[in-house]
Amino acid sequence: AQKITQTQPGMFVQEKEAVTLDCTYDTSDQSYGLFWYKQPSSGEMIFLIYQGSYDEQNATEGRYSLNFQKARKSANLVISASQLGDSAMYFCAMRERVAYSGAGSYQLTFGKGTKLSVIP
Amino acid sequence: GAGVSQSPSNKVTEKGKDVELRCDPISGHTALYWYRQSLGQGLEFLIYFQGNSAPDKSGLPSDRFSAERTGGSVSTLTIQRTQQEDSAVYLCASSLGTFTGQYFGPGTRLTVT
Repeated sequence: AQKITQTQPGMFVQEKEAVTLDCTYDTSDQSYGLFWYKQPSSGEMIFLIYQGSYDEQNATEGRYSLNFQKARKSANLVISASQLGDSAMYFCAMRERVAYSGAGSYQLTFGKGTKLSVIP
Repeated sequence: GAGVSQSPSNKVTEKGKDVELRCDPISGHTALYWYRQSLGQGLEFLIYFQGNSAPDKSGLPSDRFSAERTGGSVSTLTIQRTQQEDSAVYLCASSLGTFTGQYFGPGTRLTVT
């Protein structure tokens, strides 16, 4: 079963408008972390935002905010005031502990991504 | 400051040859991760190091893949007897701790002919 689901393979948004990129996850662990990354056409992976499973407040970083709904297991990324430079692939990812062995072991899973295109 | 660096940036090799990919994490980052990204696909997690230790190697696709990290810094990912399906971009990331953002290197594009 998929651990991270991004249901929108592609999205379009008008410049200066807000856009929400969906992400749902599946875990039985109580302690986990959720991340969003941006990958422009240049190929680099850029860390955007992090939400810990115990964080009570939604994470925000500049124009990025994470709409964390724990009971629904969703961690949607909201980008406000879209810019042309926001056009890229966006990946949602989850880190969960899978085994304790000394320093601990972590499973990291990425979704298949959403391609966002910002229209001038 | 210096980010994560990877070398080589591109590698073309013949099927059956061994290759070694190198990752130099951000100084002071104790956690290091290797991923693989095939064309048009998401990231596939390979292995995670905390310091020099990799508690779980089950993400490595086959026993032809191995990775090590020495001195809590540089890591190498070795692929023996390369196959065409190994062609991908291999990405390395490091983070200060296990629950902080990971910072990615530019990747090594491996092409097996």
